[in-house]
Amino acid sequence: DAMVIQNPRYQVTQFGKPVTLSCSQTLNHNVMYWYQQKSSQAPKLLFHYYDKDFNNEADTPDNFQSRRPNTSFCFLDIRSPGLGDAAMYLCATSTGAERGYTFGSGTRLTVV
Amino acid sequence: QKEVEQNSGPLSVPEGAIASLNCTYSDRGSQSFFWYRQYSGKSPELIMFIYSNGDKEDGRFTAQLNKASQYVSLLIRDSQPSDSATYLCAPSTGSYIPTFGRGTSLIVHP
Repeated sequence: DAMVIQNPRYQVTQFGKPVTLSCSQTLNHNVMYWYQQKSSQAPKLLFHYYDKDFNNEADTPDNFQSRRPNTSFCFLDIRSPGLGDAAMYLCATSTGAERGYTFGSGTRLTVV
Repeated sequence: QKEVEQNSGPLSVPEGAIASLNCTYSDRGSQSFFWYRQYSGKSPELIMFIYSNGDKEDGRFTAQLNKASQYVSLLIRDSQPSDSATYLCAPSTGSYIPTFGRGTSLIVHP
């Protein structure tokens, strides 16, 4: 089945230790997004790629970086995780058209 | 600044009743309106989208849009315990990047 896959489902990292979250898709969607969602809050857009064009939200901390080596894969790098970065990280894809998103299952990040 | 307002709830309804979830938005440029369902600890799932004023029905779900009042709602008929989740309203402009509300928690009790 065509889908969006995020790995790992759960990630525990140490304060300040770099961590990478991954997302892959078999939908061949040209747009990929990374969202951060904290408990009882709305998903917050961090950045998105329209094909290879990278778009960073103005309030995304510099601590967060992203890479999209090809259509299928997108990575979220957190260079120095802080306790405030503990959250669910959601990857989503779309065709950029009026059909909404397909989300992956999410990665729950814990910082200790 | 774009704002999407939803009552956080919880909204509690008995099984078989109609659940009415409401959402207001501030961006008059919003063109597409999405409703996502999110079960606890899971990722959001698209359940409805609507572009035109009026009603759109899909099974037990009806989305209602009033652009003049900047208001969109989701009705769930014959509510089931499996409908218990958080429902996120997400209007978007022509860029098709939605602004999410924080969601309304719905509890359907037997």
